[in-house]
Amino acid sequence: AQTVTQSQPEMSVQEAETVTLSCTYDTSESDYYLFWYKQPPSRQMILVIRQEAYKQQNATENRFSVNFQKAAKSFSLKISDSQLGDAAMYFCAYRSAWGQGAQKLVFGQGTRLTINP
Amino acid sequence: KAGVTQTPRYLIKTRGQQVTLSCSPISGHRSVSWYQQTPGQGLQFLFEYFSETQRNKGNFPGRFSGRQFSNSRSEMNVSTLELGDSALYLCASSLALMNTEAFFGQGTRLTVV
Repeated sequence: AQTVTQSQPEMSVQEAETVTLSCTYDTSESDYYLFWYKQPPSRQMILVIRQEAYKQQNATENRFSVNFQKAAKSFSLKISDSQLGDAAMYFCAYRSAWGQGAQKLVFGQGTRLTINP
Repeated sequence: KAGVTQTPRYLIKTRGQQVTLSCSPISGHRSVSWYQQTPGQGLQFLFEYFSETQRNKGNFPGRFSGRQFSNSRSEMNVSTLELGDSALYLCASSLALMNTEAFFGQGTRLTVV
């Protein structure tokens, strides 16, 4: 079974600075997807960024980028120019590319990010 | 385009009762998944439905069940509620089975007293 670990329960950063959230995962599969979701106080999970395991190039979405290290099974999220609206719980998630595992997301425990003005 | 709608937003039930939660997916989406979120266990997969059929189920007791209707709307039911069932229940919809883009609703907060 796949597992996802986020070792930082809480992080804080000054507004306009850069912060990196860590995520490691365990799998024996070679084909899968990785995600970062954001959950603000409204509770709705919002997809921030996604990475296909077969792609070597790291995904980027505006101020959000990932550092995907497949051999190390590491998937960190970098938020540049942090804004007050970035404050939320961030979840790293794994999804298999094939089979029954492709029908579910496996989440880490989350990292609570605080932005200091 | 309307997002994923979950009703009700909040619910308080007594131990031993049963509860039904509803999820209306994004228009055109045919796959609906359910997750339970608690402070202790985090986010855990309950089940996924596609074309009115349950395609996958997580490690939850039989008290947790669900169904999907022909319009893709889904309901989940929990019978004989226990205090430990208190949680945020999240629904996610996708265009198709194994589609990697899952869109979540705002959840139903269930409190069992």
